[in-house]
Amino acid sequence: QQQVKQSPQSLIVQKGGISIINCAYENTAFDYFPWYQQFPGKGPALLIAIRPDVSEKKEGRFTISFNKSAKQFSLHIMDSQPGDSATYFCAATIFYGGATNKLIFGTGTLLAVQP
Amino acid sequence: DAGVTQSPTHLIKTRGQQVTLRCSPKSGHDTVSWYQQALGQGPQFIFQYYEEEERQRGNFPDRFSGHQFPNYSSELNVNALLLGDSALYLCASSPRTSGRAGELFFGEGSRLTVL
Repeated sequence: QQQVKQSPQSLIVQKGGISIINCAYENTAFDYFPWYQQFPGKGPALLIAIRPDVSEKKEGRFTISFNKSAKQFSLHIMDSQPGDSATYFCAATIFYGGATNKLIFGTGTLLAVQP
Repeated sequence: DAGVTQSPTHLIKTRGQQVTLRCSPKSGHDTVSWYQQALGQGPQFIFQYYEEEERQRGNFPDRFSGHQFPNYSSELNVNALLLGDSALYLCASSPRTSGRAGELFFGEGSRLTVL
């Protein structure tokens, strides 16, 4: 129940295209869902996050879509650029009113954007 | 403003040895978490420290232990190293009360190889 399942494992997209990464979870107690971006040799960095009381959140070219009933959420990268090439991790946690809690990460998606 | 700094960046040990990894959190952060990231996998939560005490622990054996110092820096100790302990060890910091739960700031990690 603590797992977050992520797909696809890898993804190749042409420059200007849309990248879509999907995640699913089982634990209905999860109430905060961040996405992290990791470049080679670097630690993960927070990209965008969503709470389950909204179905969509957009920040620039990055959008999270959230389906609470299906226990699924996805990351959409619009107008994908070669600089977006990285590994993307979805994650889930339980938000204890301001305290940072442990994150349960997905297995990651290696995105390559071809010029 | 320095981010999360970790040392050493790379190290090689043999089975049965002990290792100590160090982390300095981002300025203004008082909570430190440690994650293990095996090759091609998402980070796995080891434990979290604040106020110099272990507050949460993931599914890791007692060979993994830690410490937090009064200046909020932290150490991760692993005893009786196994080949399977080879991984990137990530330190992440956050303020005790965060308006963006799950916004962990990660260091670049310590790459441990056990031979």
